[in-house]
Amino acid sequence: AQSVSQHNHHVILSEAASLELGCNYSYGGTVNLFWYVQYPGQHLQLLLKYFSGDPLVKGIKGFEAEFIKSKFSFNLRKPSVQWSDTAEYFCAVGLTGRRALTFGSGTRLQVQP
Amino acid sequence: NAGVMQNPRHLVRRRGQEARLRCSPMKGHSHVYWYRQLPEEGLKFMVYLQKENIIDESGMPKERFSAEFPKEGPSILRIQQVVRGDSAAYFCASSHPQGSYEQYFGPGTRLTVT
Repeated sequence: AQSVSQHNHHVILSEAASLELGCNYSYGGTVNLFWYVQYPGQHLQLLLKYFSGDPLVKGIKGFEAEFIKSKFSFNLRKPSVQWSDTAEYFCAVGLTGRRALTFGSGTRLQVQP
Repeated sequence: NAGVMQNPRHLVRRRGQEARLRCSPMKGHSHVYWYRQLPEEGLKFMVYLQKENIIDESGMPKERFSAEFPKEGPSILRIQQVVRGDSAAYFCASSHPQGSYEQYFGPGTRLTVT
């Protein structure tokens, strides 16, 4: 069965620390990859996406992610986090040609000032 | 430029009652998706609809759950004879019919079954 794993359930960082959140998936075919963020009290927002091309993808608010096909991974990174990055982060994967997304269980990021 | 709208935001139902959740997609979007999020879990796909058509319902429970997206009006997710295990957050998303697979999410409806 298709699945998406986010191994870090809860991450606590100080401001200015670097961030890397892991995402691994198990799919046999060509995939579309997404990171969504949910700030406290708000709805899911798209951070960045990968469909094809350059495996290093830049998103909003200084976030980036790298698709490593051989490792079935799409890790999210940010060089220097801010208190305002406190949120829950979800990795999502869709098979090309099929619109349903499979989500990871999420990573709760807490940034301390 | 309104985003995806869902109502109600919170819904309380007693066991055995019916729950109706509504979703209005973003302007220009004709594809709607429903997801369910149980406590401490990620979102789980339920159903994908286009106007008047169910395209993919592979994630829908076989009984008590139904969805529609009529020609006019919002998409509706209907849960009959609710049980405590239906308590969850239900999210709707929409996407543009052309090209991109990006889905834009609404604020969700939190259903509590007492």
